[in-house]
Formats: sequence, structure tokens, C-alpha cells
Amino acid sequence: QKEVEQNSGPLSVPEGAIASLNCTYSDRGSQSFFWYRQYSGKSPELIMFIYSNGDKEDGRFTAQLNKASQYVSLLIRDSQPSDSATYLCAVKEGSGGSNYKLTFGKGTLLTVNP
Amino acid sequence: DAGVIQSPRHEVTEMGQEVTLRCKPISGHNSLFWYRQTMMRGLELLIYFNNNVPIDDSGMPEDRFSAKMPNASFSTLKIQPSEPRDSAVYFCASSFVGFQFFGPGTRLTVL
Repeated sequence: QKEVEQNSGPLSVPEGAIASLNCTYSDRGSQSFFWYRQYSGKSPELIMFIYSNGDKEDGRFTAQLNKASQYVSLLIRDSQPSDSATYLCAVKEGSGGSNYKLTFGKGTLLTVNP
Repeated sequence: DAGVIQSPRHEVTEMGQEVTLRCKPISGHNSLFWYRQTMMRGLELLIYFNNNVPIDDSGMPEDRFSAKMPNASFSTLKIQPSEPRDSAVYFCASSFVGFQFFGPGTRLTVL
């Protein structure tokens, strides 16, 4: 059973701080990793993806991947109250082919306090 | 770009009734996924299709659930008969080269 684990939170940070969200996965063969943001009552929205070890930056968001440790994280710099949401980590099973099945973690609730 | 379209957005029904949820994927996407989300279990994959063909239905909870994709622009998820424990938000997502985009969801309440 492939698993994706996240701390459920809530993670509370003050406005302007760095929020760090973490995720571990069990399938060592996983190749693609995604972060989704879900506002309360809304659907998940893709915000970041990463394939290679190291960091990937997009605006205030940085995704970090360490395949040896089976660990992926999302950093949000200069956190804003509008970043308050649940963040879902998703892992694509296997590599290549036409299998695009994702396994999702249960999400971490982030609250940014003004 | 209309995104993934789901209907109805809300459904309230009584136990034992048939429920049909509908999804129109993004044009050009060749994979379609049905998920269920609850507080207790999070986001669970029920079934997914590639090029209209069901690939993995291992997440379908029991025979009461069925899904079809008769063409590239339409899919249904049917629950018959419905039970209170089926109450959840059901999402449809479509994908092209691995990036999944979610519809707004259908909130199902079974009384």
C-alpha cells in the first residue's frame, strides 16, 4: 500500500513568516511530486510540481525534493493571510507510461495570522 | 477555458435512492479521475480512465458504485442504492501529461 504522509496541523504562522510544509512517501520508485492548495469548500488547485532532487522556486513558493530520504517539502515565503488553506502533497506512482494515478496525503491545514 | 465541469453541485437524497454525478473534462485531456473526499479519509481515488477506458477501479468501495465514460467529453459516477456513509464531496479531475485539474465537486448528502 503506497502511502503519503503529512502532518495534519494546524500549522499556524504569523504574516510575513516562512511556512514549511512537509511530506514523506513510501514508494521509492515515485518520480513526480505535486503540491495542491485547497481553500475551505473549494477544490484542490495545483500550485507546484517537482521531478528532480533539489529546489524549485516559483514566486513565493519553493518545492524541495530529497528522493534518498523520500521527502518533499513546500516553503511559502512572506506568508499572507490569503495563503491560509489546506495543502495537499501528491505523488505519482511509478515512472513514465500512461499511468497518471496520484496518491494524496491527507493535507496540512495552514493558518497565517495577520 | 471552462475547466472541468461537474453537476450537480449539491445533491441531497434519501437512503436507497439512485444518485448520478456528471463530469465534463477539459477538452483535449485524455485522462479522467473520480475522487471522494471526507474529513476522516481525505481524498481517495475511486476510478480513473485513460482515453475513455477504465484503467484502475480498485478504489471503488463496493458494487453499489459504477462509473462510465462513453466518450471523451463526458463521464458519470452512479451510486445505487445510496447509503448515508456515501455522504462526501465527489471530485472529478482531468489530466494531460500528468497534471490533474479538478472540477468544483459535488457535495452529496444521503439522509
